[in-house]
Amino acid sequence: GAVVSQHPSRVICKSGTSVKIECRSLDFQATTMFWYRQFPKQSLMLMATSNEGSKATYEQGVEKDKFLINHASLTLSTLTVTSAHPEDSSFYICSPRTHGRDGYTFGSGTRLTVV
Amino acid sequence: KQEVTQIPAALSVPEGENLVLNCSFTDSAIYNLQWFRQDPGKGLTSLLLIQSSQREQTSGRLNASLDKSSGRSTLYIAASQPGDSATYLCAVSQGGSEKLVFGKGTKLTVNP
Repeated sequence: GAVVSQHPSRVICKSGTSVKIECRSLDFQATTMFWYRQFPKQSLMLMATSNEGSKATYEQGVEKDKFLINHASLTLSTLTVTSAHPEDSSFYICSPRTHGRDGYTFGSGTRLTVV
Repeated sequence: KQEVTQIPAALSVPEGENLVLNCSFTDSAIYNLQWFRQDPGKGLTSLLLIQSSQREQTSGRLNASLDKSSGRSTLYIAASQPGDSATYLCAVSQGGSEKLVFGKGTKLTVNP
């Protein structure tokens, strides 16, 4: 099945700094990557959809200037949390669109803690 | 707006017991429904995918059913084992976009 590598798995950063999360599709070309986040005891929620070679689309309530998404190649999508604040502490996880190839697949997730 | 609810939020059972996890969704116009397993601090493992035209899927000790008209799905786990302890997530997609709407999950603990 489709394999996605997500890094880092865990990161602690200071308020005001930026953090970059990478998702790489290892065995196929991902034209679209979904980015989800999960706050404690809440459900996974779609944040944004990145598209290779074009601008990402953001869900309602997600600040596009704070969560920068880059999808410059068919194998790499990145999410950068800029000027992080403690309320951005969450579990971030990516999922490529596989066009029904093998069902849904997800990265291993990134636990972000902003102190 | 699609909403997915999972009941119960947590469940603790002795090893060997059969159990059922429930998932309901408000908009029956789904494309498919997926059950996942999430271990603490880790990503999601796909368990069973049910297309909207299907009624159930089986894999080993797991059986998932779908009643689209009533907006319900169940995940049946037979002969539960301590290794089954995890959070089980239900998610639905609409249209062909592959965007998923998740429930909050059921945290299962199987006691040896």
